[in-house]
Amino acid sequence: GENVEQHPSTLSVQEGDSAVIKCTYSDSASNYFPWYKQELGKRPQLIIDIRSNVGEKKDQRIAVTLNKTAKHFSLHITETQPEDSAVYFCAASISGYSTLTFGKGTMLLVSP
Amino acid sequence: GAVVSQHPSRVICKSGTSVKIECRSLDFQATTMFWYRQFPKQSLMLMATSNEGSKATYEQGVEKDKFLINHASLTLSTLTVTSAHPEDSSFYICSARGLGQPEDIQYFGAGTRLSVL
Repeated sequence: GENVEQHPSTLSVQEGDSAVIKCTYSDSASNYFPWYKQELGKRPQLIIDIRSNVGEKKDQRIAVTLNKTAKHFSLHITETQPEDSAVYFCAASISGYSTLTFGKGTMLLVSP
Repeated sequence: GAVVSQHPSRVICKSGTSVKIECRSLDFQATTMFWYRQFPKQSLMLMATSNEGSKATYEQGVEKDKFLINHASLTLSTLTVTSAHPEDSSFYICSARGLGQPEDIQYFGAGTRLSVL
């Protein structure tokens, strides 16, 4: 089955800095890669996703890049703000109603 | 985005009792619902996948007689933790995807924190 590795497990940055979280996956058939943000005790919320037919996708301060050859994808957050502090999960799946396999999560702490 | 409602948000029960958790899709028909378990500071571990009108598919290591899942309608799935014990204490989260929503996207409920005394 699919295996998703996520790094780092914790990331501390100063407000205004950029943050990068990286994930690798094992199943070359995976073609859908969402990123979820989960604040403490709350539901995971989809913040951005990418499909294997594109290499990069951007939404304001958030961007995701995908390297299919190397089987890794990354989340980039620019101009970080304290409200970006949360746990971020990457995931992978094969499009067409298969299950999501999640990474172990990255706790991002943005200090004012 | 689509809304998934999960109840109750918090349950405290005695060992040996059964607890039912409900997951509802409020503005779309959920052809598939998922149940996850999350331990503190850990990732989401898929327990089972349920499709409306059919039996749930459980992940390896998850006891189907312990965690009963029912998906009787396109808007409701329930998870019943039978004869709960302290080791069942955890954060349980459901998610749903389905008709009228972008393929592959899962929308999550707010979770249920179960504490078994």
